[in-house]
Amino acid sequence: KAGVTQTPRYLIKTRGQQVTLSCSPISGHRSVSWYQQTPGQGLQFLFEYFSETQRNKGNFPGRFSGRQFSNSRSEMNVSTLELGDSALYLCASSPPNLAGGSDTQYFGPGTRLTVL
Amino acid sequence: SQKIEQNSEALNIQEGKTATLTCNYTNYSPAYLQWYRQDPGRGPVFLLLIRENEKEKRKERLKVTFDTTLKQSLFHITASQPADSATYLCALALWGGSQGNLIFGKGTKLSVKP
Repeated sequence: KAGVTQTPRYLIKTRGQQVTLSCSPISGHRSVSWYQQTPGQGLQFLFEYFSETQRNKGNFPGRFSGRQFSNSRSEMNVSTLELGDSALYLCASSPPNLAGGSDTQYFGPGTRLTVL
Repeated sequence: SQKIEQNSEALNIQEGKTATLTCNYTNYSPAYLQWYRQDPGRGPVFLLLIRENEKEKRKERLKVTFDTTLKQSLFHITASQPADSATYLCALALWGGSQGNLIFGKGTKLSVKP
């Protein structure tokens, strides 16, 4: 099976612009989560989608949004970029959480966003 | 709010020794704890999961313990090798939370010297 893929891998934007990042989960995985990773704050949860519905949301401003499509692919959008949004954005997918099943998350390689 | 701390930012050990990494949490006992490995420029890779009612889990040279009294998990790598050098992240999942919502520690960077 192919792993989680994220595009693009690297992105450079300027303040005030908006950006859209894409994530394709492992085939059969319906849960997709997004995380922001910075040296100062570490990995922080942004939001989780399951069957096209946002199931959980972290403590990020409304500039951060996401969506999930019927094929489980997900996108996240950041509007009005700020310098502090520079980070590695990671997407993770999870298999169906059956009784006794795995609660593992499988991470993609991330998108490195630099805001100038 | 729930917090999770990994005591050491960095740990340097000699090849062949046992590396022990610590993860402490505050407030409520999590449903489970996970440990991940992250190499530079890559996403975290799942290693082990331990649930609240489990004391210890093993996988090859890896061992995880969970002490709900101390609110602590220990992660051990026995017979460490230079290839084990990486950042190790501890993550917890809250009761009632979904599987996709994990709270991560900031990680411990392990360096194993030959």
